[in-house]
Amino acid sequence: SQKIEQNSEALNIQEGKTATLTCNYTNYSPAYLQWYRQDPGRGPVFLLLIRENEKEKRKERLKVTFDTTLKQSLFHITASQPADSATYLCALDMKRADTGRRALTFGSGTRLQVQP
Amino acid sequence: GAGVSQSPRYKVAKRGQDVALRCDPISGHVSLFWYQQALGQGPEFLTYFQNEAQLDKSGLPSDRFFAERPEGSVSTLKIQRTQQEDSAVYLCASSLGGREGNQPQHFGDGTRLSIL
Repeated sequence: SQKIEQNSEALNIQEGKTATLTCNYTNYSPAYLQWYRQDPGRGPVFLLLIRENEKEKRKERLKVTFDTTLKQSLFHITASQPADSATYLCALDMKRADTGRRALTFGSGTRLQVQP
Repeated sequence: GAGVSQSPRYKVAKRGQDVALRCDPISGHVSLFWYQQALGQGPEFLTYFQNEAQLDKSGLPSDRFFAERPEGSVSTLKIQRTQQEDSAVYLCASSLGGREGNQPQHFGDGTRLSIL
């Protein structure tokens, strides 16, 4: 079956370091992959989208890589700040196993805590 | 408005009652999505509208769930005869284009539904 896996354990890092979050998927080849940020009690906020033919994408302190051979995306935050503390969700446009229809399918997210 | 607006933010209902959750998407956005998010999990797809047409309702968990978008803007998610397992955060998202994975989705802050 198709699965999206994100590390369920929280990631704790020191301010100023680079945070790296992982998104692995199985049994599918998505054309696009998206990353969202979610704060407690709020809805997800779109951060970056990367296409299957793009290896890397950057936006300010954020960088996303997409390895379609490994079926993995890495999300990096450089020079991390306490304000970056949040849950980060990856999402893929996947065919639902039960219906065959496509829908944006989210991982369960990884909580990042940046310590001052 | 500037973003997606959902109301109410919190809803408490007794088991067996009917509830209605409202979503006001970003003006001009063609696509509207409803998701259900359990604690510690990513959003799970419920249904998709393109303008007023409900093109996919395959994620609705039972026939007690009903969604509409009669004029192609505001949408309502209705849950009849609520059960305790319906307790979750219900998120609405809109996007400018279609449901393809190359479109960022803009989320509201959700309605937290608690069934007693």
